[in-house]
Amino acid sequence: DADVTQTPRNRITKTGKRIMLECSQTKGHDRMYWYRQDPGLGLRLIYYSFDVKDINKGEISDGYSVSRQAQAKFSLSLESAIPNQTALYFCATSDPTGGAYNEQFFGPGTRLTVL
Amino acid sequence: QKEVEQDPGPLSVPEGAIVSLNCTYSNSAFQYFMWYRQYSRKGPELLMYTYSSGNKEDGRFTAQVDKSSKYISLFIRDSQPSDSATYLCAMSAQGAQKLVFGQGTRLTINP
Repeated sequence: DADVTQTPRNRITKTGKRIMLECSQTKGHDRMYWYRQDPGLGLRLIYYSFDVKDINKGEISDGYSVSRQAQAKFSLSLESAIPNQTALYFCATSDPTGGAYNEQFFGPGTRLTVL
Repeated sequence: QKEVEQDPGPLSVPEGAIVSLNCTYSNSAFQYFMWYRQYSRKGPELLMYTYSSGNKEDGRFTAQVDKSSKYISLFIRDSQPSDSATYLCAMSAQGAQKLVFGQGTRLTINP
C-alpha cells in the first residue's frame, strides 16, 4: 500500500461549490504539506503543518483552508471553488529527524477541475 | 523575481545523450539542494540531494552545486527512455521549514 494516499484522485466541480481533498499517511511523519502544481509554475506551497496543533500558511493560502484531524490526516478545503483553482494538488510528508535536508514524500496527486 | 528559476522546457534528446538540467537561485542562505523526479500522473520523488557546494554522483546521475554563481545542475549520462519525466530542483536553508521548488523541466528521451 502507498505510504501517502490522496482522495479523490480526480474531481470535476462547479464554481462556488465547497470541495475537500483528503490526505492520509502511514509513514508516521509529523510534518505534512499541501501544494498545487500548475504548468510553468512548479510546486507552490498552500499550507503546512508540523503537528496536530500547528497550522501555517504557505505562499498561496488565499481561498483555501486546512484541517489536521490527526497525525496521519491532513485535509485541504476550497470553501467556494473558482476556475483558477483548477490544478494538480499534492500532499506531502516529511520527518525532521530523518535528515537536515527535509526530504518530502509525495502522494499521487488530485487533479481538480473547476468549471 | 522567483527565488528559484528553472527552464520548464520541454527538452527532447535522443537515447544515449548526456542531459544537463539547471536551476539558478537568488537566496544565498540556501544550503540544501535537491532534485526530484516526477513521472507522468505521479507525485515527485527525491532523486538526489547535495549539501552546500560540490558534486555528488549516483550511477548515471551527477548533481553539481556552484554557490558562488548560485547555480545548480543535474547531469544524466547515457540517458534512457525511462528517464523521461519532469525534473524539479528544490532548495532550503539551514533549519528552514520549507522547500522552495523550481518550475520543473519536462524531459523526453527518444529511443
